[in-house]
Amino acid sequence: QKEVEQNSGPLSVPEGAIASLNCTYSDRGSQSFFWYRQYSGKSPELIMFIYSNGDKEDGRFTAQLNKASQYVSLLIRDSQPSDSATYLCAVNRDDKIIFGKGTRLHILP
Amino acid sequence: EAQVTQNPRYLITVTGKKLTVTCSQNMNHEYMSWYRQDPGLGLRQIYYSMNVEVTDKGDVPEGYKVSRKEKRNFPLILESPSPNQTSLYFCASGGVVPYEQYFGPGTRLTVT
Repeated sequence: QKEVEQNSGPLSVPEGAIASLNCTYSDRGSQSFFWYRQYSGKSPELIMFIYSNGDKEDGRFTAQLNKASQYVSLLIRDSQPSDSATYLCAVNRDDKIIFGKGTRLHILP
Repeated sequence: EAQVTQNPRYLITVTGKKLTVTCSQNMNHEYMSWYRQDPGLGLRQIYYSMNVEVTDKGDVPEGYKVSRKEKRNFPLILESPSPNQTSLYFCASGGVVPYEQYFGPGTRLTVT
């Protein structure tokens, strides 16, 4: 079982709709959870992190964490064409950072 | 401007020729890390450092060395590069707990 799993996509979402990105992790000892956005040819950028069960909102982005089910999700409201990118989920295990392979998101104008 | 810098940005070298990729951050971060990104394999951690003189292996450390003699610098050393180390390399820095990472621009390395 892969430590951090994401659907590779592409996930196509109409402009203005809600994009929902999901990530599962295998190690129950994982402590912090991160979402990064990576545009083609660029470096990953931190969107937000979460470490407590529940929701965390930042602007159009909401991260959701469910430790019992071992999943973390990212919701993007009012999706814009500029949101088209690869979204990377990452978890902190001990002092290491483990990344998923990412989900490609395509916002349809 | 708060940033992580890497040099060089592009490098083509030959098998066995030692090289160093530099990484520097100006945010006074304790945690620094090196990653490689390969198609189909994603982003994988090579080495990380919790603070000066404290380094540890990530998931793919073979063939790499690091050092942390100053808080702001974290160079990646390839003593004897091989073609399977051809990759896109990222340096990142951040705080310790929750370990958020701020990435440098990347170094594209080709080993022939």
